[in-house]
Formats: sequence, C-alpha cells, structure tokens
Amino acid sequence: ETGVTQTPRHLVMGMTNKKSLKCEQHLGHNAMYWYKQSAKKPLELMFVYSLEERVENNSVPSRFSPECPNSSHLFLHLHTLQPEDSALYLCASSQEFGLAGGHEQYFGPGTRLTVT
Amino acid sequence: GEDVEQSLFLSVREGDSSVINCTYTDSSSTYLYWYKQEPGAGLQLLTYIFSNMDMKQDQRLTVLLNKKDKHLSLRIADTQTGDSAIYFCAEKLGAGSYQLTFGKGTKLSVIP
Repeated sequence: ETGVTQTPRHLVMGMTNKKSLKCEQHLGHNAMYWYKQSAKKPLELMFVYSLEERVENNSVPSRFSPECPNSSHLFLHLHTLQPEDSALYLCASSQEFGLAGGHEQYFGPGTRLTVT
Repeated sequence: GEDVEQSLFLSVREGDSSVINCTYTDSSSTYLYWYKQEPGAGLQLLTYIFSNMDMKQDQRLTVLLNKKDKHLSLRIADTQTGDSAIYFCAEKLGAGSYQLTFGKGTKLSVIP
C-alpha cells in the first residue's frame, strides 16, 4: 500500500449505531488529520494529531471521537450520529517537523458516510 | 480573518489554457496549495508555492502569486478532458499552525 488509505470507502449507519473509520498513512509522516467535506461547503478541519497527540479540535460534537494509537494510524469513532453528519470524511497526513518543504497534506480517498 | 474565495465554475475547450483564480485574506499565509478532486475521490495535491515566491512552474501547471493583492492563480496549459475535476485553493498560516483553509472549489469542465 502506498500513500494514505481509508476504510471503509462507503458506510451507511443508523442514528443509534456505533462505527469506526480507519485511516493509515504509509508516508512516514508525523501529523494526521480528519476533515469533513459536505456539499457546497469548504472542507472543515475536525481534528489534528501531531506526534500522536491531539493538537486541534475544532468544536466538533462529542459524537465524533478520534483516536491515534501510533503515527501511522488514525481512527474516527462514531456514535449516535445525525442525518446532517452525512458527508465525505477525509483523512490526511503531513510532515510537520524536521524537514524543509511545503508541509503539504496528502489525502486519502475518503469514506462516504450516510446516516439514516 | 481567514477566507479563501474561488469562482465556482469554469468551462474551457480541449487544448486551450485554463486559468483558475483564488483570493485569500490572511497576509500571514506561508504556503498556498492547489488540490484536484475527481468524482468519488479524495484530494490530490497538484502543487504548492511558498509565500516569498512569485511563480512556480511544473510541466503543464503554472502557479502565479501576487502577494500584494492576495491573489493566486493556477494555469493549466493544453487542457485535456482528464483535467475535468474540482480544483481547490488552500492557504496555510504561519509557524505553529496546522490548519489549511480551503476555498469551496472551482469545477473545471473541459469541452471536447
């Protein structure tokens, strides 16, 4: 596997379910991100982990719970979601320390989530 | 404040050049990026430019930055049907900031 992978690619869940999204990066990066992409809105940054510590949490409801067990893996645990949470959830990674460069973020293909 | 603006749609004929424009408001931006998103896919990084540069060229792509006017553009030479996608401009603020602020994206349609 190369780059950033996400599973599952599609998920349909009811409002009372609990599910998790998984992201894995194979780039040796030290920062990982969760974004939400909804129709007709700019990408919204949800969470940032740097060196496995959460460094940003942009007023995201507690029904979304991130977990970063190591620098290569990031999870987003979902419970009691609402229909308005239906969106494309994108994971990204970047190298933020120790190297010159553009700190560019590389994205996975996303998980298309539908809450019924 | 942080705001990135792009026009929503652009149509060009195959073989012509496309120019996608972006304006941003934060003068402390350090890096500016262009991403491409095809249907059903994630965002693909195309190129980026550091804020002390005016221009960057990479094969068919040319990025121009006018820092005074806070204006960024992406020119695609010899546009092909495979270039049809949504293009996002994004800015990164100064030291210590992880956040990228994205525009809403410009949908490029290439007419054969």
